[in-house]
Parts: sequence; structure tokens; C-alpha cells
Amino acid sequence: DAKTTQPNSMESNEEEPVHLPCNHSTISGTDYIHWYRQLPSQGPEYVIHGLTSNVNNRMASLAIAEDRKSSTLILHRATLRDAAVYYCILRSGSARQLTFGSGTQLTVLP
Amino acid sequence: GAVVSQHPSRVICKSGTSVKIECRSLDFQATTMFWYRQFPKQSLMLMATSNEGSKATYEQGVEKDKFLINHASLTLSTLTVTSAHPEDSSFYICSASPGSTNYGYTFGSGTRLTVV
Repeated sequence: DAKTTQPNSMESNEEEPVHLPCNHSTISGTDYIHWYRQLPSQGPEYVIHGLTSNVNNRMASLAIAEDRKSSTLILHRATLRDAAVYYCILRSGSARQLTFGSGTQLTVLP
Repeated sequence: GAVVSQHPSRVICKSGTSVKIECRSLDFQATTMFWYRQFPKQSLMLMATSNEGSKATYEQGVEKDKFLINHASLTLSTLTVTSAHPEDSSFYICSASPGSTNYGYTFGSGTRLTVV
């Protein structure tokens, strides 16, 4: 599986935008970029995913670099409830499972 | 949206006993479900892939005789931890996807197992 690299932790102020980076330099053409987040003592929650084009949904935006070697999850206005571990995962077209890395612990400051 | 229900959310059992954890897809059929284990301060580790109507596929290092997986229907997979020991205490999470690569995955809320 292609690997992803994320910062261990990030901080943000409440009501400000947050940009969570992810590097995936060995991504292949069929790899989808998935983002999940996990709150303490809960299962992960799907946030967004994309292949080549930028994606928007009610939770976040996903900006994918033109060469696809990196991506950024954008939370437009962070709230205290957004404090979680955010995982960037590549899912190949042939693989069925998700392989989790260490993720980024996002702290939102009031 | 796709919902996966996992029960129980928390269980305490004595060493040597067995515990069954259920994972149900409520509004979609899941021919494949995934079981993860998460120790404190660590990431999720895939334990096994549960396949409806056939044997589960276990990751390297996971004892298939200890972690029994049954996927008897398109909406239910169970994980039974047999002869549990304190080192099996962990957070167990199941997951499924309603479709192909164009869909995200849905996770259960997790089961906190404590073996005393």
C-alpha cells in the first residue's frame, strides 16, 4: 500500500479555517485519497474522499495537488467538536481494506 | 447515509471466557466487513476481513482460532474473542462500505473490551 505522511499534531483557533496536509508521493493512478476522523472512544467517521479533482461536502473540502502527491483537508470554520485525530488514507482500486497511519491530532482552541 | 451498528459498546469479562461482538449494516448490504483493533494512543490495526458466506481473511500475526469471525448474512458479522486474556483488552471496531471504490467506509462506534 502506498504510504501517507501527516504531521503528528496541529492546533487551530475556533472559527478559523484549518488546513490539514497529507503527503503521498508514491500514490498510484488508481489510488483514492480518503480522509477520516476519530473522536476519543469512538469509531472513525468518514469525512471526504477524492481521486483527482477537488471535492467539497458539508463537512470539509479536499484539495488535491495537480501531481496528486499531496492533498489538503480543509475545515472552513473549526469548532471545538472538530477536535479529533484526522487520518489521510490511500485506497487502491483493487484493495478493499483501509490501512490507517498515525494521523494528525487536531486541537481546537477556544 | 450508510450506518453500521456495533454492539456491545463496552464489555468486561473474566479471563478465560469468550466475548462476542456484533457488527450490523443497517441500511445496506455488506458482503465484506473489516475488523480493527486499537490500543490506547495508537492507530487502528486491521485484524481481519470478514466475507459473507466464506472464511475470513486474517492479517499476519492475528490468531484465527482466538478471534473467530462469522459473517453469516449480508448485514451481520460477528467477532468472538475466545479464552480472553488481559492482553486482549482493547478497542475493537468494525467497518463496511456500501459500494465500490467510489464510496467511503462506515465504521461502528467500537467496543471497549476489558478482560479482568
